[in-house]
Amino acid sequence: GIQVEQSPPDLILQEGANSTLRCNFSDSVNNLQWFHQNPWGQLINLFYIPSGTKQNGRLSATTVATERYSLLYISSSQTTDSGVYFCAGNYNQGGKLIFGQGTELSVKP
Amino acid sequence: EPEVTQTPSHQVTQMGQEVILRCVPISNHLYFYWYRQILGQKVEFLVSFYNNEISEKSEIFDDQFSVERPDGSNFTLKIRSTKLEDSAMYFCAWAWREDEKLFFGSGTQLSVL
Repeated sequence: GIQVEQSPPDLILQEGANSTLRCNFSDSVNNLQWFHQNPWGQLINLFYIPSGTKQNGRLSATTVATERYSLLYISSSQTTDSGVYFCAGNYNQGGKLIFGQGTELSVKP
Repeated sequence: EPEVTQTPSHQVTQMGQEVILRCVPISNHLYFYWYRQILGQKVEFLVSFYNNEISEKSEIFDDQFSVERPDGSNFTLKIRSTKLEDSAMYFCAWAWREDEKLFFGSGTQLSVL
């Protein structure tokens, strides 16, 4: 079946550090999205990024659809960035998203 | 983006009991979804719903599950006879259009004992 692989699975950072999270997918995706799940379990949509690059404050994302990967950059990390980051996409018509296993980020003060 | 309220936030039930999870969206002109997340695992698609009918469902969404908008506002997920393995966080989600940015509700943590 379709695979969405995220790396690294875990990441520990010191506050202020930068990081790059990667999402590889086994087939072409139609609407790659990045989500942050905070420690309370809430899922927040960070980016809708089927291709190209977007920036939102300290976060930015790049999707290279032809090479089947997406990257999420976090700069000057803060403790509130802690949580699990998921990428997800769909592979056919329709809104069904297939999620990766996530990258668990812990930012230490 | 409009807020989507899910109730209850936590539900504890006995195996074999029926549960109804509720989601209160704002507009009728949205695509709705249910997803679930077993503790420590990834988020899994259950079903998509538009114009008062199911548009797609996963293999998880068997005969024990059903969805409806009984009064035109609430969007519900019913599990007829819960099993231990149904314990998970259940999220409703919505998008303005199919294939667009997806927004999630706050979730219902279901525990089946």
